[in-house]
Amino acid sequence: QVQLVESGGGVVQPGRSLRLSCVASGVRFSSSAMHWVRQAPGKGLEWVSIISYDGSNKYYADSVKGRFTISRDNSKNTLYLQMSSLRDEDTAVYYCAREDSSNWDFDFWGQGTLVTVSS
Amino acid sequence: DIQLTQSPSFLSAFVGDRVTVTCRASQGVSSYLAWYQQRPGKAPKLLIYGASILQSGVPSRFSGSGSGTEFTLAISSLQPEDFATYYCQQLNSYPYTFGQGTKLEIK
Repeated sequence: QVQLVESGGGVVQPGRSLRLSCVASGVRFSSSAMHWVRQAPGKGLEWVSIISYDGSNKYYADSVKGRFTISRDNSKNTLYLQMSSLRDEDTAVYYCAREDSSNWDFDFWGQGTLVTVSS
Repeated sequence: DIQLTQSPSFLSAFVGDRVTVTCRASQGVSSYLAWYQQRPGKAPKLLIYGASILQSGVPSRFSGSGSGTEFTLAISSLQPEDFATYYCQQLNSYPYTFGQGTKLEIK
């Protein structure tokens, strides 16, 4: 049974930092590209970032480039998102998702963790 | 960046109806298009990948079609559990953009 479990969300002041984690089980994490997707309250889905299976390639949405850093530790089956210089507009539920590179889709998603940026 | 535009944004239908949702891409994405269903408070769920391939375990009343820039998600004989928000996503090039969503409500 595949599980992706995010943690690390919470309330943070503008300009501060936060690190999200996503622990995977029941899936071949070390051979999977992983993504972060976010959803602001009442809004649609926004793709945030991808990291390749071995961490050698990373891409970011323009809205977070230079402020967010994606990383992974395959020995711990864990994906991270380091978020810095947080803004009000970063308030959202953050989901981690696995990419099925054979089928070009996101086949497994975590339950999400809420980040609220507020003073 | 590739923009995806879904229509309609809101759809009201009866149980048992057949509905379709359209997703148009600002440039060609071949068949690298997926559809997801999201119920309130839940994570998205994969329905269709490769524009027309049904994900394992998804009921056969869901179907997808199209390639290039125009795609369609169809749901035949709506069931109560189908009332949710639907998103298309292109995986042709980064950023992997989503459509704005189509909210399907019970009439």
